[in-house]
Amino acid sequence: DTGVSQNPRHKITKRGQNVTFRCDPISEHNRLYWYRQTLGQGPEFLTYFQNEAQLEKSRLLSDRFSAERPKGSFSTLEIQRTEQGDSAMYLCASSITLRGQKETQYFGPGTRLLVL
Amino acid sequence: GENVEQHPSTLSVQEGDSAVIKCTYSDSASNYFPWYKQELGKGPQLIIDIRSNVGEKKDQRIAVTLNKTAKHFSLHITETQPEDSAVYFCAASRGTGGFKTIFGAGTRLFVKA
Repeated sequence: DTGVSQNPRHKITKRGQNVTFRCDPISEHNRLYWYRQTLGQGPEFLTYFQNEAQLEKSRLLSDRFSAERPKGSFSTLEIQRTEQGDSAMYLCASSITLRGQKETQYFGPGTRLLVL
Repeated sequence: GENVEQHPSTLSVQEGDSAVIKCTYSDSASNYFPWYKQELGKGPQLIIDIRSNVGEKKDQRIAVTLNKTAKHFSLHITETQPEDSAVYFCAASRGTGGFKTIFGAGTRLFVKA
């Protein structure tokens, strides 16, 4: 399967615990995006990377959230001291930038987080 | 800030009928408009997209139209089938500029057999 993959697919945790999610983009895609999606809403942008550089972060990304893409391939999203309001689907997408071409983002299946 | 409004939130049609979903965007610099289909438990999948230098694009039963002056764009699905039932999201971005994509809230489409 050459699509975007995410692990785990589901995570249940207790309030106050830390969680980490992983995203493996389509190989050779230089951009990687994280989104959060709550029930009945569209994906909301959190942050994105071009290669290993984190270029933009949303105001939604509080200090408890951190994302990395150390080698410009896979990425991790960590949430520290989880709160019930963090319960959502966390989506990863990747894209490749080609000069003069549209940038289409391809999404993974998401990680569904439930904070009890 | 930038936002994308999407209507209706729910749409129910009979198999074989057409379905139309409409979106408006606020960022006049947006120049790329993808549409995604999301099935239960899965991530959004791109179904069609349009760039701002084109007014209409068609791919089999799916077509998109764009009115850049009015900042409106629409998705048209003809000859709907039960497998078209899903949540559809419109989105707007500045394309290759590296800016984030703004999504609408989604339209849940039911196609009744």
